Amino acid sequence: AQKVTQAQTEISVVEKEDVTLDCVYETRDTTYYLFWYKQPPSGELVFLIRRNSFDEQNEISGRYSWNFQKSTSSFNFTITASQVVDSAVYFCALSVFQNTDKLIFGTGTRLQVFP
Amino acid sequence: DARVTQTPRHKVTEMGQEVTMRCQPILGHNTVFWYRQTMMQGLELLAYFRNRAPLDDSGMPKDRFSAEMPDATLATLKIQPSEPRDSAVYFCASGLGSGANTDTQYFGPGTRLTVL
Repeated sequence: AQKVTQAQTEISVVEKEDVTLDCVYETRDTTYYLFWYKQPPSGELVFLIRRNSFDEQNEISGRYSWNFQKSTSSFNFTITASQVVDSAVYFCALSVFQNTDKLIFGTGTRLQVFP
Repeated sequence: DARVTQTPRHKVTEMGQEVTMRCQPILGHNTVFWYRQTMMQGLELLAYFRNRAPLDDSGMPKDRFSAEMPDATLATLKIQPSEPRDSAVYFCASGLGSGANTDTQYFGPGTRLTVL
């Protein structure tokens, strides 16, 4: 069975701090995909990134970076120099090759960035 | 900027009333998903379609919920009769898929339903 764990329920930081959101996944499949979605206070779910299990290169996009480590089954998300607009709930998700129709979501981490 | 659109964005209704939520997937996407989000259960997959055919509706309460795709640009989720426990945010998502696989799912803004 597959599972995604986001142990941090809520994180609060002050603007300009760096923050890392943890995501640990479980699957026995060798081919799988990992995702991060952002849900700002307005409520929509915004796709941020998709990684496949064969690509362990870290990804950087502006102030966002993702660290994928198969050895620890983790796909952590770091926001550098956080801003108030980063305040949102962030979801990590997993799908496996045999059925990528099914997204397994974590419970989300609520990030609050204070000015 | 291609996006999934959903209407209405907010709906308040009374118990027993029919509720219809609509979704327009991203043009060219052949797979449409319906999710429900609540504080207690998080995000739950209710049903999904590929090329307008239902693939899985096992997450949907069959007695009161129904989902359809009248055409490739419109998906509907209907609740009849609605109950207070149906209060939630309902998301539509779309993606490109084949077999049992979908590329990335892109979500709409959601419909916030309140049943009094």
